[in-house]
Amino acid sequence: DTAVSQTPKYLVTQMGNDKSIKCEQNLGHDTMYWYKQDSKKFLKIMFSYNNKELIINETVPNRFSPKSPDKAHLNLHINSLELGDSAVYFCASKGQGSGNEQYFGPGTRLTVT
Amino acid sequence: LAKTTQPISMDSYEGQEVNITCSHNNIATNDYITWYQQFPSQGPRFIIQGYKTKVTNEVASLFIPADRKSSTLSLPRVSLSDTAVYYCLVGGYTGGFKTIFGAGTRLFVKA
Repeated sequence: DTAVSQTPKYLVTQMGNDKSIKCEQNLGHDTMYWYKQDSKKFLKIMFSYNNKELIINETVPNRFSPKSPDKAHLNLHINSLELGDSAVYFCASKGQGSGNEQYFGPGTRLTVT
Repeated sequence: LAKTTQPISMDSYEGQEVNITCSHNNIATNDYITWYQQFPSQGPRFIIQGYKTKVTNEVASLFIPADRKSSTLSLPRVSLSDTAVYYCLVGGYTGGFKTIFGAGTRLFVKA
């Protein structure tokens, strides 16, 4: 059973489109994250939710909107996609009292043409 | 948040012990030290975490000196499959665990 899953694994789309990436975790964790890893392989935190509440919101364009329908899901919606949005997006989750021990999903490779 | 500094890359041979040191001079009192491993086209994988002294699990050991300004990840008897990027993170709870990944250390294990 996959602990943290993301869909889709690959996403190719054109500039200006709107797309969503879904994330689900079956670990019973309270906290979920979205990260972006660019072509230079730097991994940057974008958002974090704790029990459906937004607790970390980095300097991310407001075209990116996370949504957490319940604590097992954290989706990422991106409006008006730009070339610079091309990257691998990782979802992660963390349990309470586990320090910084996060579990990452397999990633979604987004290519904007 | 405490910034971390690690070597950009390291080479090793199969069967050797590999030690990767991370500097974090500005570590805060409530910060944990956490190490992740990332293979190409995969998400980072948690390896080990510690607060002070030494922590050991089935994969690695983590050595933390008393001043906590650095830490060393020790991988015993590496194999080719340990070739990956290793990230050192430092962070604590401040309304949420904000994680900053540095550039990591690219470890190449040769036969």
